Amino acid sequence: DVKVTQSSRYLVKRTGEKVFLECVQDMDHENMFWYRQDPGLGLRLIYFSYDVKMKEKGDIPEGYSVSREKKERFSLILESASTNQTSMYLCASRGGGSSYEQYFGPGTRLTVT
Amino acid sequence: QKEVEQDPGPLSVPEGAIVSLNCTYSNSAFQYFMWYRQYSRKGPELLMYTYSSGNKEDGRFTAQVDKSSKYISLFIRDSQPSDSATYLCAMSFSGGYNKLIFGAGTRLAVHP
Repeated sequence: DVKVTQSSRYLVKRTGEKVFLECVQDMDHENMFWYRQDPGLGLRLIYFSYDVKMKEKGDIPEGYSVSREKKERFSLILESASTNQTSMYLCASRGGGSSYEQYFGPGTRLTVT
Repeated sequence: QKEVEQDPGPLSVPEGAIVSLNCTYSNSAFQYFMWYRQYSRKGPELLMYTYSSGNKEDGRFTAQVDKSSKYISLFIRDSQPSDSATYLCAMSFSGGYNKLIFGAGTRLAVHP
C-alpha cells in the first residue's frame, strides 16, 4: 500500500513565524503535491513537484514556497505565517505515466494565531 | 463562477437508501472524472474513476458522466453507515495528470 505521511496532525503557530510542513511518501513516486482544504472551497493546489528540485506553482502559491531535495520528501514552507493561512494542508503523491490517481496523507490542521 | 460546483450538503439518509451525489462543471475540455471519499480526520482516497461519458459500476457504487450537460453523478445503492464521509468530485483534461480540479465536497451521513 502507498503510504503518505505528514509530520504533524495539528500545529499552532503565531503570526509572522516561519512554518515547515513535511511530507514523505514510500512508493518512489515522481510527483508530489501540496493542497489546502477549506470549507466551501474544496482542495486548492498550492504547489506540485514532478521531480527532485523541480516545482511548479499551483492555483494559490502566494505566501508559500516548497522544497524537494529528495524524491520521497516534499516540504511546504510558510515564510511568514498569517491568520488567513489557517487551514487543513494535504500532501499527495502520484506515480509517473498516465495515471490520474493521487494518494493523500492524513492532513495537517494548521492554526495561525 | 467556480469551474466545478458541488452541493456541500450535509445529506442525511437512512441506511439502505439510494444516494445520489452530483457535480456540474464549466470546462468542456475535462475528460477524466473521479470521485474521492474522505473520512473524518483522514485524507481523500480514490473511489471511482471514469473517462469521458458513460457509466461505470463497482459494487454498490455507480459513476455516471454526461458530458453534453457537463454533469457527473455518483450513486450509492444500499447505503451503509460506513459510507458516511465527504465525497469530492475531481476532474481534469487529457494529459492534465498533475492538475486535478476538485469540487468542494458533499458531506453524507447514513444513519442506522
